[in-house]
Amino acid sequence: EPEVTQTPSHQVTQMGQEVILRCVPISNHLYFYWYRQILGQKVEFLVSFYNNEISEKSEIFDDQFSVERPDGSNFTLKIRSTKLEDSAMYFCASSEHTDTQYFGPGTRLTVL
Amino acid sequence: KQEVTQIPAALSVPEGENLVLNCSFTDSAIYNLQWFRQDPGKGLTSLLLIQSSQREQTSGRLNASLDKSSGRSTLYIAASQPGDSATYLCAVRPIGTGGSYIPTFGRGTSLIVHP
Repeated sequence: EPEVTQTPSHQVTQMGQEVILRCVPISNHLYFYWYRQILGQKVEFLVSFYNNEISEKSEIFDDQFSVERPDGSNFTLKIRSTKLEDSAMYFCASSEHTDTQYFGPGTRLTVL
Repeated sequence: KQEVTQIPAALSVPEGENLVLNCSFTDSAIYNLQWFRQDPGKGLTSLLLIQSSQREQTSGRLNASLDKSSGRSTLYIAASQPGDSATYLCAVRPIGTGGSYIPTFGRGTSLIVHP
């Protein structure tokens, strides 16, 4: 069964460094999403992406965040200058239409 | 602003019991509601999705119902098994001003089914 994959599974970085989290959505899906979950907290929406542009973003998704679909398969989330409070699980998801979303296993980001 | 509440926060039951997990939301102008399962340290697995025009969806031992007017959904798990132990999340996608589809998640119900 097709699935969303994410790399790396765990990323440790120093505060102020840039990180890129990578996702490979399900191949025939058209909508892509990033979410985060701080330990013990709710899952929070960051951004949705369709037709090579951002369709929606939350208040969390400020200027330090950016997303890109550099080729036909990858979907990336870049955090330009990481802060301690960016430590969280980051989930990528995809959907064929605006319906069932399929989530990846997540990347655990630890900012020291 | 949409608020999603899940009750109970935690549940521990013996194997074989039938369970009801509750999800309530404050704004009934929803596009759909999705139930997920999350195992510790893992991603979310989609269980059931109910469109706003639907009343329920079933998959195996799982049944989810939706009552938009009262702002509630329930996830019914029949004949629970230890393998059902996980956190169950509901997420509501609204039809908001400007056609926003940003989903709101509940905190989840942490379920333990013991043999």
